Amino acid sequence: DQQVKQNSPSLSVQEGRISILNCDYTNSMFDYFLWYKKYPAEGPTFLISISSIKDKNEDGRFTVFLNKSAKHLSLHIVPSQPGDSAVYFCAASEAGYGNKLVFGAGTILRVKS
Amino acid sequence: KAGVTQTPRYLIKTRGQQVTLSCSPISGHRSVSWYQQTPGQGLQFLFEYFSETQRNKGNFPGRFSGRQFSNSRSEMNVSTLELGDSALYLCASSLVSGGASDTQYFGPGTRLTVL
Repeated sequence: DQQVKQNSPSLSVQEGRISILNCDYTNSMFDYFLWYKKYPAEGPTFLISISSIKDKNEDGRFTVFLNKSAKHLSLHIVPSQPGDSAVYFCAASEAGYGNKLVFGAGTILRVKS
Repeated sequence: KAGVTQTPRYLIKTRGQQVTLSCSPISGHRSVSWYQQTPGQGLQFLFEYFSETQRNKGNFPGRFSGRQFSNSRSEMNVSTLELGDSALYLCASSLVSGGASDTQYFGPGTRLTVL
């Protein structure tokens, strides 16, 4: 039972354009959402997070949007750079479950120069 | 501030053996979580330790165990290794356990290969 889903295995974007990565979840008790970036043979690197009490959070080129009614979140990267090419994971946690993160399967982003 | 460190980075074992992996969290972080990453199952939560106590456990058999020391360093142990245990094992640390603003920071992982 996949509680966090990233339905797009890969995404290809031209340098300078916007990258939009999507994530859906089924557990309405999730209250904290995070995006991580991962290169091969390395651990995930934290990018940005959002609490369920907000619908948007920005950090530089990265913005995360949360639509609780649709149980959907998205990560926008503007402008996209070749160094952004990596696997992006969406993760969620539920209050009362400590730091247990439930991850999506990941989306491979390729930014072409 | 130094990040999360994991040792060893690579490990090769044979079926039936046991293995111990080590994780040193970011200074001041008291929570350590372990995750397994495989091509088939993705990133899966193993367990979390906070203040030397197991706080949460994922759906893994009892062959997977862990502990945390008073300095917050953590070890995980896998006994009676199986071929399917081959994976990247990731450790993550955070200041406290849970909460809507407590971010987990990951180490580089230990790549375990079981032959």
